[in-house]
Amino acid sequence: GESVGLHLPTLSVQEGDNSIINCAYSNSASDYFIWYKQESGKGPQFIIDIRSNMDKRQGQRVTVLLNKTVKHLSLQIAATQPGDSAVYFCAERIRYAGGTSYGKLTFGQGTILTVHP
Amino acid sequence: DGGITQSPKYLFRKEGQNVTLSCEQNLNHDAMYWYRQDPGQGLRLIYYSQIVNDFQKGDIAEGYSVSREKKESFPLTVTSAQKNPTAFYLCASSGQSTGELFFGEGSRLTVL
Repeated sequence: GESVGLHLPTLSVQEGDNSIINCAYSNSASDYFIWYKQESGKGPQFIIDIRSNMDKRQGQRVTVLLNKTVKHLSLQIAATQPGDSAVYFCAERIRYAGGTSYGKLTFGQGTILTVHP
Repeated sequence: DGGITQSPKYLFRKEGQNVTLSCEQNLNHDAMYWYRQDPGQGLRLIYYSQIVNDFQKGDIAEGYSVSREKKESFPLTVTSAQKNPTAFYLCASSGQSTGELFFGEGSRLTVL
């Protein structure tokens, strides 16, 4: 899972296995969460998002689970492929009094996923 | 194709020089953002703009300046006051209906 510090958490899996990447978020007022994938030297790409009124959302090969009780978010990737190797970031949007902070996201440290053929 | 274009992709600067990073989007998004990314770390917000001619400081605005004269453009100037400017800079935009940010491919600034 993600944590504060200079060394990113890492996850190594074999091709075809399922991967689970964890993220602990900080603010109980967050109302929206996103997972991004970032390949080396490139900008982050959107994977999947979830609103705080949901606890699960599924996409193509990916599932995001949200546990608001313990402020925990996870990304599950089914049948992981070598092309899934990248750094994965979770991000939260904090709702301020009077409304949301309109797209202003706070990012976690990231987790390095390595998929071995 | 619709998207966000950042330039230059690589930039070298001598200490004491100001440099400007370009960010252009054709997604018709109202909001634009600049993030900084250091090795092994997440993205930190420098400045953001929710509408033309208006912008707000993010978490690490010191040593940076921005302008938003057009909806499509949000250039970032890294000034000589920024003590540690070597980093990967990411521009993003978002529409009103979603919280998702769309990112450019980034600009890597190195101070020599």
